[in-house]
Amino acid sequence: GAVVSQHPSWVICKSGTSVKIECRSLDFQATTMFWYRQFPKQSLMLMATSNEGSKATYEQGVEKDKFLINHASLTLSTLTVTSAHPEDSSFYICSARDASANTGELFFGEGSRLTVL
Amino acid sequence: AQTVTQSQPEMSVQEAETVTLSCTYDTSESDYYLFWYKQPPSRQMILVIRQEAYKQQNATENRFSVNFQKAAKSFSLKISDSQLGDAAMYFCAGDTGTASKLTFGTGTRLQVTL
Repeated sequence: GAVVSQHPSWVICKSGTSVKIECRSLDFQATTMFWYRQFPKQSLMLMATSNEGSKATYEQGVEKDKFLINHASLTLSTLTVTSAHPEDSSFYICSARDASANTGELFFGEGSRLTVL
Repeated sequence: AQTVTQSQPEMSVQEAETVTLSCTYDTSESDYYLFWYKQPPSRQMILVIRQEAYKQQNATENRFSVNFQKAAKSFSLKISDSQLGDAAMYFCAGDTGTASKLTFGTGTRLQVTL
């Protein structure tokens, strides 16, 4: 199956700093990638849809200035948590669809655990 | 799907037995996909099974099968011959096509006991 890789898998940062998380589709092109946030023992909450070559579409209640998304190529989307605070600590997961396929299947990255001290 | 509901927060099954996880959904679309994803302790999301709404035949993948009742908007997952490795969170999800968003249910935690 298609592979989506996220990096870093675990990051600890100080409050006020910015953290960038990368999401790469390794063996397929993805015009659309999705960023989710998951709190402990809860479901995945869609934060935004990342569109290659255009602005991301954010879900209601998600601060676009706090969570910057860039989708500069067909294989890479990045999520930057700006001026991170302890309440931003969470598990962030990206997913992508193969642009050449029509299966509807989403491939997920391994996730990135962010801890803000 | 616009909403996905999983009413069983936790389920337990003995090894080698069969368990069914429930899922209902609501959508105004006529064409959509439904999925079951598994999230083990590693938290990597793994696709278990997929069903296209236009297909009447229930999808099957080895020990995993679904009971898709389109009129009732029900999409349950049956796990046969349960194994210890099946223990995980299971999420039901749906969307309306390749460019649309995936909506997840709240998940069911499955325990497999000896």
